[in-house]
Amino acid sequence: AQSVTQLGSHVSVSEGALVLLRCNYSSSVPPYLFWYVQYPNQGLQLLLKYTSAATLVKGINGFEAEFKKSETSFHLTKPSAHMSDAAEYFCAVRSLSTGANSKLTFGKGITLSVRP
Amino acid sequence: NAGVMQNPRHLVRRRGQEARLRCSPMKGHSHVYWYRQLPEEGLKFMVYLQKENIIDESGMPKERFSAEFPKEGPSILRIQQVVRGDSAAYFCASSPPTEEQFFGPGTRLTVL
Repeated sequence: AQSVTQLGSHVSVSEGALVLLRCNYSSSVPPYLFWYVQYPNQGLQLLLKYTSAATLVKGINGFEAEFKKSETSFHLTKPSAHMSDAAEYFCAVRSLSTGANSKLTFGKGITLSVRP
Repeated sequence: NAGVMQNPRHLVRRRGQEARLRCSPMKGHSHVYWYRQLPEEGLKFMVYLQKENIIDESGMPKERFSAEFPKEGPSILRIQQVVRGDSAAYFCASSPPTEEQFFGPGTRLTVL
């Protein structure tokens, strides 16, 4: 069984400040890991993904995440927040062992607010 | 290449009515997934389909919910005799084999 924990439901940062959104996963087999962003009343857009290659993954809009197996973590970071980053962010895990097209298991999501 | 299409975007039903949600996958994608997002919660997997086959329906409620992905046409998520607890955003995702899932804009169902 797989699970994702995103601690806290809301993070607020100032424009230009570091963004850190935490994600811990549980998986009995090597995972694929994903970060998605959801803007109000829209669908999910993929920010980045970890697929067992490089542990530091760079995504769109200046975001990156580092896979740390020892900590079972896949935290999302961005050096400098923009107002346009305000959205909801979801971490998700997918197992490799059940086939390349197995379901995604999502965390509850974190709402990011950016203060001027 | 158009993205994943879902319609309607908003659907209002009264208790006891039927809701039909449609999903047209991206061109070339043969795998479709349905997820439900309840207020203040993340997305929960419902069902995974390939053309004419249900691969994994472990997230589907046992009653009133059904899904299909026919050889021709969109995938349909059908909810019979809707109740207020069915109010949610329903997202469809599609993928080709071995690749990531691309999400549609969702259908927001409101049950009065």
